[in-house]
Amino acid sequence: AQKITQTQPGMFVQEKEAVTLDCTYDTSDPSYGLFWYKQPSSGEMIFLIYQGSYDQQNATEGRYSLNFQKARKSANLVISASQLGDSAMYFCAVSGGSYIPTFGRGTSLIVHP
Amino acid sequence: GAGVSQSPSNKVTEKGKDVELRCDPISGHTALYWYRQSLGQGLEFLIYFQGNSAPDKSGLPSDRFSAERTGGSVSTLTIQRTQQEDSAVYLCASSSPLAGPSGGNIQYFGAGTRLSVL
Repeated sequence: AQKITQTQPGMFVQEKEAVTLDCTYDTSDPSYGLFWYKQPSSGEMIFLIYQGSYDQQNATEGRYSLNFQKARKSANLVISASQLGDSAMYFCAVSGGSYIPTFGRGTSLIVHP
Repeated sequence: GAGVSQSPSNKVTEKGKDVELRCDPISGHTALYWYRQSLGQGLEFLIYFQGNSAPDKSGLPSDRFSAERTGGSVSTLTIQRTQQEDSAVYLCASSSPLAGPSGGNIQYFGAGTRLSVL
C-alpha cells in the first residue's frame, strides 16, 4: 500500500524567495521512487524531479531540489528564487515495485510579484 | 510528435451515451497509464499497460469503463452509458522504467481530455 500526504492546500511566496512544499509518504516497498509534478492552469502535468529510495544524495534539477529524509518518510520540494511562472499546482507521488504511482492531493502555489 | 497526444481535448456528451478517449504515447515507451482528475482533486489511477502483459485494471471504477492498447502503442479509454459523475479530466501518461535499483518511472503526460456529461 502507498500513501502520499500533502498538508498544505495553498502556499504563497514572494517572487525571488525560496519556498518549501511538504510531502510525506508511506509505502511497503523496500525500493521506491519519489516524484514531483507541476500542473499549471493549462492542465498538463509536468515532471520536475525524481528521488530514488537508495539514492544517497538529494536530487536537484535547476531551481528545484528534493529534501529527502528517509527516516521521516519526507520528500519536500524546495523551489529557490521563485518566479511568477511557478504559480501552479504541485503534486508529490510515490511509486514502488508495481510501477503504479500514488499521487497526493496537491499544493497550490501562488507567487506574488 | 515528441510528446503524449490525447484526443479530443474536450468532449461534451449526454448522459447515457458512450465515449471514446484516445491516447498516443511517446514512441518507444512501453508503459501507458490512464488517470482521472476531478475538479480540484489529485489524480485517480484507472488502468496501467506495460508491454504485452495483461493490464492492471484495478483502478477502473466500474464495468462501464474499459481500455485497450493496440500494438503496444495507441490506447483508447471507453466509457459506456456515461453518468454525470464521470465528468472530469482524463489524463494519459507514458513512461519507460528507470534504470537503477529504485522503483518507479518518470511519467510524461498528455494535455488531457475534459469530459463533460450533461
